[in-house]
Amino acid sequence: DGGITQSPKYLFRKEGQNVTLSCEQNLNHDAMYWYRQDPGQGLRLIYYSQIVNDFQKGDIAEGYSVSREKKESFPLTVTSAQKNPTAFYLCASSIIGLYGYTFGSGTRLTVV
Amino acid sequence: ELKVEQNPLFLSMQEGKNYTIYCNYSTTSDRLYWYRQDPGKSLESLFVLLSNGAVKQEGRLMASLDTKARLSTLHITAAVHDLSATYFCAGRTTSGTYKYIFGTGTRLKVLA
Repeated sequence: DGGITQSPKYLFRKEGQNVTLSCEQNLNHDAMYWYRQDPGQGLRLIYYSQIVNDFQKGDIAEGYSVSREKKESFPLTVTSAQKNPTAFYLCASSIIGLYGYTFGSGTRLTVV
Repeated sequence: ELKVEQNPLFLSMQEGKNYTIYCNYSTTSDRLYWYRQDPGKSLESLFVLLSNGAVKQEGRLMASLDTKARLSTLHITAAVHDLSATYFCAGRTTSGTYKYIFGTGTRLKVLA
C-alpha cells in the first residue's frame, strides 16, 4: 500500500542536542512538507520541497534544517538553535497542482 | 499573503443538533480543503472544494465554497458522538510556489 511514514512516533531530546525526524513516502509525490503543531493550535509550515535537491523555508524555519536528496525522503533536523521544540511534527506530501495532502502519522517530540 | 480563519474555535453541541463551522480566507485561494484530526492523531482529508458554489457531502458532513465571499462552511447535520474531533480548513496560495495555509482549527465536542 502507498503511504507516507514518519518515524519515530515519539522522540525525546536533551537540551542542546540535534535530532532528526524521518519522513518517507512511496506515493511518487513531487512535493513534501513539514508542519509543526502545538497543543490546541493549528499547523505552521516549517519547510517544503517541490523537487529533489531544492527546498524553501516556511513560516517558522529558524532552528530547523531539511534535505531532499531523494524524491521519497524529506528528513527534518531539529537543531539546538530551536529553543522550544516540544511539539507534534507532521510530514505531508502531495502531487503538485492536484488535490491536497497526504499526511504521515506524526512524531511527538519532547525536550527532557 | 493568504490567511485562513475559522470560527468558532471551540464548539460543544448536543447529539442530534445541527451546526456550522465557518472558514474565511483573506486573498484568492484556488481551492479549499477540510481535514479532521482526532486527539493525538494525524490529519484525515475530508473534502476538497475546487470552484465557486462547490458542495460536497459525506454522511452528516457537508462542505460548501463561496469564492466571492471567500468563505467555506462545514455543516454538521444531526451530530453524533463519533464526530467529536478537531476540524481544519486550509487554502492554497495561488502565486509563486504552492503552499497550504491552515486555519487554527475548530474543536468539536458532541455530547451524548
